[in-house]
Amino acid sequence: TQLLEQSPQFLSIQEGENLTVYCNSSSVFSSLQWYRQEPGEGPVLLVTVVTGGEVKKLKRLTFQFGDARKDSSLHITAAQPGDTGLYLCAGAGSGGSNYKLTFGKGTLLTVNP
Amino acid sequence: DAGITQSPRHKVTETGTPVTLRCHQTENHRYMYWYRQDPGHGLRLIHYSYGVKDTDKGEVSDGYSVSRSKTEDFLLTLESATSSQTSVYFCASGTAGGTYGYTFGSGTRLTVV
Repeated sequence: TQLLEQSPQFLSIQEGENLTVYCNSSSVFSSLQWYRQEPGEGPVLLVTVVTGGEVKKLKRLTFQFGDARKDSSLHITAAQPGDTGLYLCAGAGSGGSNYKLTFGKGTLLTVNP
Repeated sequence: DAGITQSPRHKVTETGTPVTLRCHQTENHRYMYWYRQDPGHGLRLIHYSYGVKDTDKGEVSDGYSVSRSKTEDFLLTLESATSSQTSVYFCASGTAGGTYGYTFGSGTRLTVV
């Protein structure tokens, strides 16, 4: 069974601060995604990373896939209240198991004005 | 128009009654999924479908059944609702399984009393 551990579980910061969220596993994933979920809504896909060592940027968000494709990080620069939400990482297995995603339990981020 | 529509958005039902949740997608995605989301457990896969009439069990399938008669529709049935099935249910779809991520619906909040 593939597991994804996210840390921290909760994070409360002030507007303008930087933060990093981590997603770790002992399993290798063929791809890894990050989602953001707001209250009362479903998760929304932010990014997919596929290649080990890959770095993608989405405005103030930077996503990195580990070289061994077992871990990932999400860094937010100068956080804003609009960044508040539940951040989920999810990994796709390799070969015949790539049609199902394994989800972490999420990091609940609160950015205070 | 939303890529995935779930209905109903909210439902209260009595223990022992059957309940059907509906998911309709306009993305023409081959793969569809039903998850439940509970505090402390994150997103857990109930059932998934890899084509019309092709379905399989996820990690928490007991007490649930699914049907997919058309590409765009995926139904989840609670055969005899129990209080432990009180949860938020999400439908998701993907074009290449999990590799490039899912599109999620907005969820159904189900309360079993």
